[in-house]
Amino acid sequence: QVVLTQSPSASASLGASVKLTCTLSSGHSRYAIAWHQQQPEKGPRYLMKLSSDGSHTKGDGIPDRFSGSSSGAERYLTISSLQSEDEADYYCQTWGTGFRVFGGGTKLTVL
Amino acid sequence: QVQLQESGPGLVKPSETLSLTCTVSGGSISGYYWSWIRQPPGKGLEWIGYISYSRSTYYNPSLKSRATISIDTSKNQFSLRLSSVTAADTAMYYCARDRGSDSWSDYWGQGTLVTVSS
Repeated sequence: QVVLTQSPSASASLGASVKLTCTLSSGHSRYAIAWHQQQPEKGPRYLMKLSSDGSHTKGDGIPDRFSGSSSGAERYLTISSLQSEDEADYYCQTWGTGFRVFGGGTKLTVL
Repeated sequence: QVQLQESGPGLVKPSETLSLTCTVSGGSISGYYWSWIRQPPGKGLEWIGYISYSRSTYYNPSLKSRATISIDTSKNQFSLRLSSVTAADTAMYYCARDRGSDSWSDYWGQGTLVTVSS
């Protein structure tokens, strides 16, 4: 079964950029993933679907500050020009027929 | 804009059955797949299962057959029943829309907190 690994926490300064990582388990490097944002006390919000070739499809109204890229088994979410409202938990998700898997999430702190 | 809204009791007694409903507005329930996901306090997301518009279902094996998802296309609703609940089932429960059987979630509800306690 595929496993997604995320660092528990990350931090960056207001106005700076940050790159979050989601790592696919061995043998599953071709899986696509989706990134979701969960602001404090809110439900998750779909950000983008990210394929193994780095192509991505964003959700409705997601700013250009959010972008995705891929390298091997790693899937990245880059947030540029960080704003205070970007402070949130970020989850990656992958899927297949009959299953859905989430990573453990990364808590992003904007300093 | 598609919107999802969870509803149901916020408190369930141990050993009883948790029942939640998700109402979909702004779009049809037909043609998509519909998931339930939960999040224990202070923890990450756990997929519970999904149902298709044609009533095919898949569940997380970790729930050991306690979960049942059903759909009512006439009401644009789908539901979750989780039997024999314990304190470990205390969580925020979210419903979400999936674009297909082999796909990701692209719209989420705001969630509803269910506490299991006597």
